[in-house]
Amino acid sequence: QQPVQSPQAVILREGEDAVINCSSSKALYSVHWYRQKHGEAPVFLMILLKGGEQKGHDKISASFNEKKQQSSLYLTASQLSYSGTYFCGTEGVGGAQKLVFGQGTRLTINP
Amino acid sequence: GAGVSQSPSNKVTEKGKDVELRCDPISGHTALYWYRQSLGQGLEFLIYFQGNSAPDKSGLPSDRFSAERTGGSVSTLTIQRTQQEDSAVYLCASSYTLTGGAKNIQYFGAGTRLSVL
Repeated sequence: QQPVQSPQAVILREGEDAVINCSSSKALYSVHWYRQKHGEAPVFLMILLKGGEQKGHDKISASFNEKKQQSSLYLTASQLSYSGTYFCGTEGVGGAQKLVFGQGTRLTINP
Repeated sequence: GAGVSQSPSNKVTEKGKDVELRCDPISGHTALYWYRQSLGQGLEFLIYFQGNSAPDKSGLPSDRFSAERTGGSVSTLTIQRTQQEDSAVYLCASSYTLTGGAKNIQYFGAGTRLSVL
């Protein structure tokens, strides 16, 4: 099943923080986060494996709560370059289950 | 190659014509995926390949759509008798394997923008 992302869209001023959530109805092995800028292909940001780890990438970090089957992406002190659509992709536990992407969260950063 | 390559980058066709879209994955990647993205929308999964096999064709919108992969490398997505609702960006991605955490990170091509007049 497709993971559910929230919010669907968010508008921020430069320097503000944002949180994007990704929830799944099934047990997860890993969560991927991708960003797609307007007119470009999605680009991989980071991957989180089960174990509740957190990852960071510049001022973008993420957490994975495998018990709740949820992941959150945190963007702190947002920059104009953070604008785009963020997708989470989830991989289920066991079996040959391909990555399934959420519907995306559109992030707009205004000066 | 260095990245996933898709061709053509743009395709304009007339309604009713057939089109072929090509994807060259990263060398050594066994898994290959096709997605469709309409303007402002998310990633609509179409089909994936593990090697030359396509275990899951459930995402193909109709029997006008088909795809194949040969030699565990190049894949083509064919749309027969194109309709205006087929207009979209078709994205291809590849990964080292289908599953396994970091091994299934997907790398996307730049896409083919299809316009059906």
